[in-house]
Amino acid sequence: EVQLVQSGAEVKKPGESLKISCQTSGYTFTTYYIAWVRQVPGKGLEWVGIIYPGDSDIRYSPSFQGQVTISADKSIGTAYLHWSSLRASDTAMYYCARPLYYYDSSAYSFAFWGQGTLVTVSS
Amino acid sequence: EVVLSQSPGTLSLSPGERASLSCRASQTVDNNYLAWYQQKPGQAPRLLIYGASTRATGIPDRFSGSGSGTDFTLTISRLEPEDFAVYYCQQYGSSLYSFGQGTKLEMK
Repeated sequence: EVQLVQSGAEVKKPGESLKISCQTSGYTFTTYYIAWVRQVPGKGLEWVGIIYPGDSDIRYSPSFQGQVTISADKSIGTAYLHWSSLRASDTAMYYCARPLYYYDSSAYSFAFWGQGTLVTVSS
Repeated sequence: EVVLSQSPGTLSLSPGERASLSCRASQTVDNNYLAWYQQKPGQAPRLLIYGASTRATGIPDRFSGSGSGTDFTLTISRLEPEDFAVYYCQQYGSSLYSFGQGTKLEMK
């Protein structure tokens, strides 16, 4: 069974750093992309970026380029989203997600989702 | 970057009625890499449709997707009480992904 389990909720102050995680199981980690998606409370979904753990290919949404860093540890099947200096505007739920298959059109949508990590940034 | 515009913003219907949700792209969506998701409060999104018209595993056949190029539609043939939620479209193109702003389907 494919599972994506995210780290717990975080409360941070502006300027602090943070790394949240998405631990995967039930499949070969290096075979599938993992995406990060942001949802500000009461708002819509925003694609943050994506990583292919097989070769560490990483792409960012232009809106998030330079604001966050995506990485992965192949040895433990875990993807990460990192901020070096948080802002209040980073307050949101963050989801990791994986495609259904790595071939055909299903490779470009997200069938498996983590439970979300709520990040709150407040002074 | 492809911008997706969903309409209407809110759709008020009754159980048993037919729902049609629109997603319009600012430029052609590559290979019809267009997906639809359902999200209920407090839950992660759920994939309904990918490749514009293929139902994901376990999705009831009252959900259907259609369209190509820049205009796509999600149709729910007969609304069930559990279908009232927010729906998002999402596309992939030029190595980037994007989501529409969502349509809230509410019970009349």
